[in-house]
Formats: sequence, C-alpha cells, structure tokens
Amino acid sequence: AQSVTQLGSHVSVSEGALVLLRCNYSSSVPPYLFWYVQYPNQGLQLLLKYTSAATLVKGINGFEAEFKKSETSFHLTKPSAHMSDAAEYFCAVSDTGSGGGADGLTFGKGTHLIIQP
Amino acid sequence: NAGVTQTPKFQVLKTGQSMTLQCAQDMNHEYMSWYRQDPGMGLRLIHYSVGAGITDQGEVPNGYNVSRSTTEDFPLRLLSAAPSQTSVYFCASAPLASGAYEQYFGPGTRLTVT
Repeated sequence: AQSVTQLGSHVSVSEGALVLLRCNYSSSVPPYLFWYVQYPNQGLQLLLKYTSAATLVKGINGFEAEFKKSETSFHLTKPSAHMSDAAEYFCAVSDTGSGGGADGLTFGKGTHLIIQP
Repeated sequence: NAGVTQTPKFQVLKTGQSMTLQCAQDMNHEYMSWYRQDPGMGLRLIHYSVGAGITDQGEVPNGYNVSRSTTEDFPLRLLSAAPSQTSVYFCASAPLASGAYEQYFGPGTRLTVT
C-alpha cells in the first residue's frame, strides 16, 4: 500500500521568502509523484510531476520539486513567495506497479500555504 | 475544450434523499474517477472507471454507485444520503496512455446533507 505524509497542515512565509513544503511517501514499487495546488473554491491544478525521468522537476509558477529516493521525499520549493501563491497544496503518489496507476492517486492531507505581506 | 465539468456546484439534501452528481469530460479520456475532499483528510478515491462499461471501487465506496455508459460521462449516485456524505466531490479524468497518472480535475460539487 502506498501513503503520503505532508508535514505541517499550515505553513506561513513572508512575501519574497523561500517556500518549502514537505512531502514523504511510502510505496512498494517506484512511484510517480505529483504536486497539485487548489485555490479557494476551485478544483485541483497540476503543479508538477515526477515520472522516473529527471529527479529535479520544474513546474508552473516557479515551483520545483526534487525526488530523493534515499529519503523517500518529494519536497516542493519556490525561491521567492508571491501573494498569489496562497493556496492549499497536495502531494500525491501513484503506484506504477498497480496496472498502470488506474486505481487512482493517493493524496496527502494537504498543506495550507499562507503568505505574509 | 471545456475539460472536466461538474454539476451542480452546490447541493443541499435531507437525510435519506437520493441524487446524482454529474461529471462530463470532452478530452476523450478513458479513465475517470470520483474523489471526496474533507477537511484535514485530503482527497479520497470513491470509484473509478477505465472505460465505458467498466467501473471499480476506490478507498471509500460505501453509499455511492457509479456507471459508465459513455466515454464522456461518469455520474455518481447517492441512493440514500447521510450527513457523513457532506463533503466536496471532485471528478477527474486522465488518458490511459499516460498510465492514468496525470489526472485533470473538475471544479467540484459542494454537498451538504442535513
């Protein structure tokens, strides 16, 4: 069984500061990993994904994440926070070994990112 | 190209009532799924489908039914609503060629059961 742990249900940073959202996963097979963002009262939008190619993945809006197998981590970072980054962020894992991931994504519980002016 | 659409956006039901949440996609994706989102719980998979006529259960299927008669539509039925089904429901789709990994989400339906 696969699982995702996001450390910190709320993270607060100042505008212009580094954003770091933590995600650790467990999976019995090599995983595919995702970060999604949810703005208030909206659906989820894919930020970036890791699918066993480059371990450093760049996404939209200046975000990037690094897959570290030894640490079973996929932390999300952005060098300089902007007010528009305030949202809920979800890390998700898909098990590559389970029939092509057709049994869906397993999500973390989410991290609410607060940007202080 | 509308992507994934869901109706209604909001719904209030009384305990015991039934209703169907609609989901449609125009991207010709084989894979479709339903999730529910509850505070502090993330998203949990209810049911999914890998093509017309094929459905399967996810993590939290009890109290929900689905069917997939066409590639485009994947309705979610609540036969007898309970307060525990108060949640935000998201439909998602993905092309199976990608291994159903990268899913596209609809805007959600906020359901309240009193």
